[in-house]
Amino acid sequence: GAGVSQSPSNKVTEKGKDVELRCDPISGHTALYWYRQSLGQGLEFLIYFQGNSAPDKSGLPSDRFSAERTGGSVSTLTIQRTQQEDSAVYLCASSLDEWNEQYFGPGTRLTVT
Amino acid sequence: GNSVTQMEGPVTLSEEAFLTINCTYTATGYPSLFWYVQYPGEGLQLLLKATKADDKGSNKGFEATYRKETTSFHLEKGSVQVSDSAVYFCALINTGGFKTIFGAGTRLFVKA
Repeated sequence: GAGVSQSPSNKVTEKGKDVELRCDPISGHTALYWYRQSLGQGLEFLIYFQGNSAPDKSGLPSDRFSAERTGGSVSTLTIQRTQQEDSAVYLCASSLDEWNEQYFGPGTRLTVT
Repeated sequence: GNSVTQMEGPVTLSEEAFLTINCTYTATGYPSLFWYVQYPGEGLQLLLKATKADDKGSNKGFEATYRKETTSFHLEKGSVQVSDSAVYFCALINTGGFKTIFGAGTRLFVKA
């Protein structure tokens, strides 16, 4: 079946602009995660959605970052007033529930110039 | 709290060498443990997992045994190949269910 998809695959934006990154999880997966991975670095947790529960936003680095998940499916990560330090690969993952392994999308490479 | 510590890389090996990547964890409950792999230019994918003590996860010649007494889940492979060059992440999900905790990742280079 279809895996996790993300769009766009690459995004170049100017400093100060807003960007939206999209994630389509695997159908039926109730848990959805966003991570950030800077060049050569590990995974930085950003936000976690589980079913209809309030999301865990504890990893969002600033109030310029926000995310929503509509209808328990597609998720959008929004970064307002982008800064150069926001440049990274943004990874989305979904899992059947919070107990199971995660399936990762290919990521969106964001470059802020 | 919950945490995962894995050996720093990079690890550089010659083809057919034996691989060990150490992973230890801290958890208050009975976590499930995972190894994920990220090949160059690709997203992360699950390599293997173990859900209870003494379980052994295995896949593609890699193995890891869930050792509760030493709180470890070391990744091993008897004979690495160039195609195993990747970044390996150890991770856990604890009872009570919340976000997966990932280690920092270990980069492996295998030379022909």
